[in-house]
Amino acid sequence: EPEVTQTPSHQVTQMGQEVILRCVPISNHLYFYWYRQILGQKVEFLVSFYNNEISEKSEIFDDQFSVERPDGSNFTLKIRSTKLEDSAMYFCASKTLGQGANEQFFGPGTRLTVL
Amino acid sequence: AQSVTQLGSHVSVSEGALVLLRCNYSSSVPPYLFWYVQYPNQGLQLLLKYTSAATLVKGINGFEAEFKKSETSFHLTKPSAHMSDAAEYFCAVTFNQGGKLIFGQGTELSVKP
Repeated sequence: EPEVTQTPSHQVTQMGQEVILRCVPISNHLYFYWYRQILGQKVEFLVSFYNNEISEKSEIFDDQFSVERPDGSNFTLKIRSTKLEDSAMYFCASKTLGQGANEQFFGPGTRLTVL
Repeated sequence: AQSVTQLGSHVSVSEGALVLLRCNYSSSVPPYLFWYVQYPNQGLQLLLKYTSAATLVKGINGFEAEFKKSETSFHLTKPSAHMSDAAEYFCAVTFNQGGKLIFGQGTELSVKP
């Protein structure tokens, strides 16, 4: 069964460093998303991406964040200068297009720890 | 504003007992509703979804949920809890085809032997 994959599973970085989180969505999907979950809190939407551009972003997704689909298969989230409060589990999700096809498929997540 | 509320951050049941996890939503347009389960240190797995076809939705692992528009609710139930059901459960809503998911706070389900 097709699935969303994410790498790395765990990333440790120093405050101020840049990180890139990688995702490979399901191959025929057209909508891509990033969410995050701070430990013990709910899952929060960061950004959605469709047709090679951001379709929606949350207040969390400030200038320090960017997304890219560099090669038609990967979908990346970059944090330019990490802060302690960026420590969280980051989930990538993807969705196909079609009537009633509203389910988003989630990857296993990348746990980001900022020291 | 559109939102999701899960009543009870922690629910504890005995093995074999009924599971009831509550979810209410706030929306001015018809919603698409989902329940996801998250096992420790894992990602989110879809349990079931409501997309305006049938109001009673059956999902995996014996779970089901009923959409009640008059109560703006989408509560999750399972007749008989199993130890393996212990996990965090998230109710989520979206309102259009490519839209973001808005998640509730989550309910941690514990199952006692």
